[in-house]
Amino acid sequence: EAQVTQNPRYLITVTGKKLTVTCSQNMNHEYMSWYRQDPGLGLRQIYYSMNVEATDKGDVPEGYKVSRKEKRNFPLILESPSPNQTSLYFCASSHSSGGATEQFFGPGTRLTVL
Amino acid sequence: RKEVEQDPGPFNVPEGATVAFNCTYSNSASQSFFWYRQDCRKEPKLLMSVYSSGNEDGRFTAQLNRASQYISLLIRDSKLSDTATYLCVVTNNDMRFGAGTRLTVKP
Repeated sequence: EAQVTQNPRYLITVTGKKLTVTCSQNMNHEYMSWYRQDPGLGLRQIYYSMNVEATDKGDVPEGYKVSRKEKRNFPLILESPSPNQTSLYFCASSHSSGGATEQFFGPGTRLTVL
Repeated sequence: RKEVEQDPGPFNVPEGATVAFNCTYSNSASQSFFWYRQDCRKEPKLLMSVYSSGNEDGRFTAQLNRASQYISLLIRDSKLSDTATYLCVVTNNDMRFGAGTRLTVKP
């Protein structure tokens, strides 16, 4: 089954404790991205990757890191989480960049930082 | 001003009703337009693309007005299963999402 998976689905942590949210897709997509979704603000892009070893900042990259060592994986790293990073996070992938093709989203990771 | 603006709703309609959502965008260079659907606590999924000439998919009709920079979604004969949040998406090399319009269809 073609899909995007994320882990964990739910996470409660404390300020300053490093965490990683994994994202994996099995569709051989080149383009992957991370979004956060907050009430009233919609989905905002954190980072994106157009291919292996090619990552770039989105609209709200502060406090986040990513890597793209393999085509299928695109982990999101919070080195020192803060309460304002409490949010719902979605990983997405698509065949190509530019927004002209459908993006497939993972099931989401609900993160709470205390 | 947000790049993509939608009426947040909520829209509460009875089964069988026709409901319309509008979305405005600020970047006149925007190239592609979509409607995504997001069920409660789920990920967004593509509902339909929006083409310049307008397009229809069953009970759903999407329209684009480039001159006024808005897109619309019309849902006819609403079903209970249409209850969801509808996200307007506008792209110009990257995707910009509206905050969504919440629809509840009631028996």
